[in-house]
Amino acid sequence: GAVVSQHPSRVICKSGTSVKIECRSLDFQATTMFWYRQFPKQSLMLMATSNEGSKATYEQGVEKDKFLINHASLTLSTLTVTSAHPEDSSFYICSARTRRGPPIYEQYFGPGTRLTVT
Amino acid sequence: GESVGLHLPTLSVQEGDNSIINCAYSNSASDYFIWYKQESGKGPQFIIDIRSNMDKRQGQRVTVLLNKTVKHLSLQIAATQPGDSAVYFCAESSFSGSARQLTFGSGTQLTVLP
Repeated sequence: GAVVSQHPSRVICKSGTSVKIECRSLDFQATTMFWYRQFPKQSLMLMATSNEGSKATYEQGVEKDKFLINHASLTLSTLTVTSAHPEDSSFYICSARTRRGPPIYEQYFGPGTRLTVT
Repeated sequence: GESVGLHLPTLSVQEGDNSIINCAYSNSASDYFIWYKQESGKGPQFIIDIRSNMDKRQGQRVTVLLNKTVKHLSLQIAATQPGDSAVYFCAESSFSGSARQLTFGSGTQLTVLP
């Protein structure tokens, strides 16, 4: 099956610093990648959608200058949390979509990255 | 706005019993539904999906039922095992503008008792 990896799995950073999270589709080309945030005991909330080579589309309420998304290739997307604060501590999950014929598009999830800002 | 929600936030079942997890959705334009299993500290894992032109689909030990009339989705797990303990999310897929998006429900914590 399709595999999506994330790196790092856990990261602790100091308040005010930036941290980059990588998302890779290992055995398929992802036409679209998604970034989700999940707080404890809550559901996944979509932050942004990115297509390779174009700017990401951010959901309402998500600061694009704070959460920088780069989708440089069909197998790699990065999320950079800039000037992180303790309230940014969360579980960040990426997802990649491959085409399996209209109208159904399969979406595969990475293992998540636990960010803790101290 | 449109939302996908769950009736029960927690569910405890005895090992070997069947589990039923329910989900209500409100976007009548959704045409594809998925159930995911999420274990602690991990990403969501695909369990089973169903298109809106179907009302039932079976997998290995799992069955998804879709009732479009009342906008209700359920996941049935047969002979529940300890390894089934996790949070289960339903998700609906629909177009938002020109892009297809996945909207997650609030999740149900399934605990399997020995």
